[in-house]
Amino acid sequence: EPEVTQTPSHQVTQMGQEVILRCVPISNHLYFYWYRQILGQKVEFLVSFYNNEISEKSEIFDDQFSVERPDGSNFTLKIRSTKLEDSAMYFCASSELGPRQFGAGYTFGSGTRLTVV
Amino acid sequence: TQLLEQSPQFLSIQEGENLTVYCNSSSVFSSLQWYRQEPGEGPVLLVTVVTGGEVKKLKRLTFQFGDARKDSSLHITAAQPGDTGLYLCAATKYNTDKLIFGTGTRLQVFP
Repeated sequence: EPEVTQTPSHQVTQMGQEVILRCVPISNHLYFYWYRQILGQKVEFLVSFYNNEISEKSEIFDDQFSVERPDGSNFTLKIRSTKLEDSAMYFCASSELGPRQFGAGYTFGSGTRLTVV
Repeated sequence: TQLLEQSPQFLSIQEGENLTVYCNSSSVFSSLQWYRQEPGEGPVLLVTVVTGGEVKKLKRLTFQFGDARKDSSLHITAAQPGDTGLYLCAATKYNTDKLIFGTGTRLQVFP
């Protein structure tokens, strides 16, 4: 079964450092997303990406965050200057249909656990 | 703030029992999805429902979307220890990309 692959599985970084979280979405999917889950809390939407541009972002996704699809397979999330409160599980997801199209199903990766110390 | 409330929050039952998990909101949604999440893993899609009143079955799991498209239920018949996990409902609205996740129901099935 096709899957979304995320690396690394765990990243520890010092406050103020830049991190890049990497994702390889399912190859025929066109819509890509990042979500995060702070320990014990709900899964929260960060950003959606389609046709090489951000289609929507949440209020969490401020200027410290950016996304990129540098080649035909990778989809990255960069946090420029990490804060303690950025510690969370970050999930990449992809879908064949767009989120506003009925019946779109999302495939999530296993996540990257980011710990900011 | 759009909120999807799930109940119960925790559920511990014996193998063979039936259970129902509810997902409620005051908002109308274009579609609703159910996911199951294991510790340290991402959510895994179980089903998507798009039509008010729609019922979908997946083996021992029955999913229903409310007529008004504001709520949903997940019913498990004859629960097995392998059903143990965190069940999440998540919904989409017509004018946004974001998938709004519910508060989650943690199910434990004892043999």
